[in-house]
Amino acid sequence: EPEVTQTPSHQVTQMGQEVILRCVPISNHLYFYWYRQILGQKVEFLVSFYNNEISEKSEIFDDQFSVERPDGSNFTLKIRSTKLEDSAMYFCASNWEGTDTQYFGPGTRLTVL
Amino acid sequence: KQEVTQIPAALSVPEGENLVLNCSFTDSAIYNLQWFRQDPGKGLTSLLLIQSSQREQTSGRLNASLDKSSGRSTLYIAASQPGDSATYLCATGANSKLTFGKGITLSVRP
Repeated sequence: EPEVTQTPSHQVTQMGQEVILRCVPISNHLYFYWYRQILGQKVEFLVSFYNNEISEKSEIFDDQFSVERPDGSNFTLKIRSTKLEDSAMYFCASNWEGTDTQYFGPGTRLTVL
Repeated sequence: KQEVTQIPAALSVPEGENLVLNCSFTDSAIYNLQWFRQDPGKGLTSLLLIQSSQREQTSGRLNASLDKSSGRSTLYIAASQPGDSATYLCATGANSKLTFGKGITLSVRP
């Protein structure tokens, strides 16, 4: 069964460094999302992406964040200058046109030291 | 701003029990409501999605209902099994964005 994949599973970085989290959505999906879950807290929406542009973004998704679909398969989240409070599990999700069910990847645990 | 609440935060039941997990939301202007399962350290697995025009959805031993007017959804699990132990999250969908509750951690004792 097709699934969303994410790499790496765990990323450790120093505060102020740039990180890129990678996702490969399910191949025929057209809508892509990033969510994050700080330990012990709710899963929070960051951004949605369709037709090579951002559809919606939350107040969390400030100028330090960016998303890109560099080729036909990858969907990336970049954090330009990481802060301690960016430590969280980051989930990628996708769905295809005609359905609202979002399929989630296993997540990348980002630890900022 | 949509707020999604799931109470209690944790629940422990003996195997075989039928149980109901509750979810409430403040803004009834939703497109759908989705229930997810999350195992420790893992991603989210979609269990059921109810469109705003629907009242319920069923999949195997799971049944989810939606009452938009009262801002409530329930997930009914029949004949619970130890393998059902996980965290169950509900999320409301509006446009493309999901708003999540904090989840209910279910433990089914053998």
